[in-house]
Amino acid sequence: DIQMTQSPSSLSASVGDRVTIICRASQSITKYLNWYQQKPGRAPKLLIYSTSILQSGVPSKFSGSGSGTDFTLTISSLQPEDFATYYCQQSSSAPYTFGQGTKLEIK
Amino acid sequence: EVQLVESGGGLVQPGGSLRLSCTVSGLPFSGNSMNWVRQAPGKGLEYISYISSGGTTASYADSVKGRFTVSRDNAKNLLYLQMNSLRDEDTAVYYCASPGPLLTSWGQGTLVTVSS
Repeated sequence: DIQMTQSPSSLSASVGDRVTIICRASQSITKYLNWYQQKPGRAPKLLIYSTSILQSGVPSKFSGSGSGTDFTLTISSLQPEDFATYYCQQSSSAPYTFGQGTKLEIK
Repeated sequence: EVQLVESGGGLVQPGGSLRLSCTVSGLPFSGNSMNWVRQAPGKGLEYISYISSGGTTASYADSVKGRFTVSRDNAKNLLYLQMNSLRDEDTAVYYCASPGPLLTSWGQGTLVTVSS
């Protein structure tokens, strides 16, 4: 199975900040990297797929980049509703593993 | 509107078995692969199983391989997860999600607690 590693595991930021989350795959997944947002007690929500394509309805403050094994999620101008846990997921080969998550907290 | 509704969770003793179901509506079930994802209390998401649209191909995370079996009934729009030889560490909320591998639709989850 492909292993996905996110960093940092937690991140403290202020409203208005820009933050970046890193995701690394144990082998090349070309562009097949997705990002999800999860809020407490809720199912995850797909934000970005294929590295950089925004899911319908997701604001442009979210952006993704990378290829091969190294990927990033950037969130600009943080708002209170953005404080949540973010997960990367590879969709290159089944089982489609997740990273361990990055909890974004308000400073 | 796509709806996924899981059922079948509950309390089971270590070594026991349980079968989860997921009822799907609002999407062409037989044309979509399906997935199971779980989340232990206070922990992250763990992708555990995939099944192709026709049910002929399945894959599993190493943590459940040989113990869990995914299946589907395309005539009834139902997805299943048969869980055998359950362990304490299988305690989690279990979600069905689709369409694989981009998980745009999720159920509300069903809680499985493995404890004596």
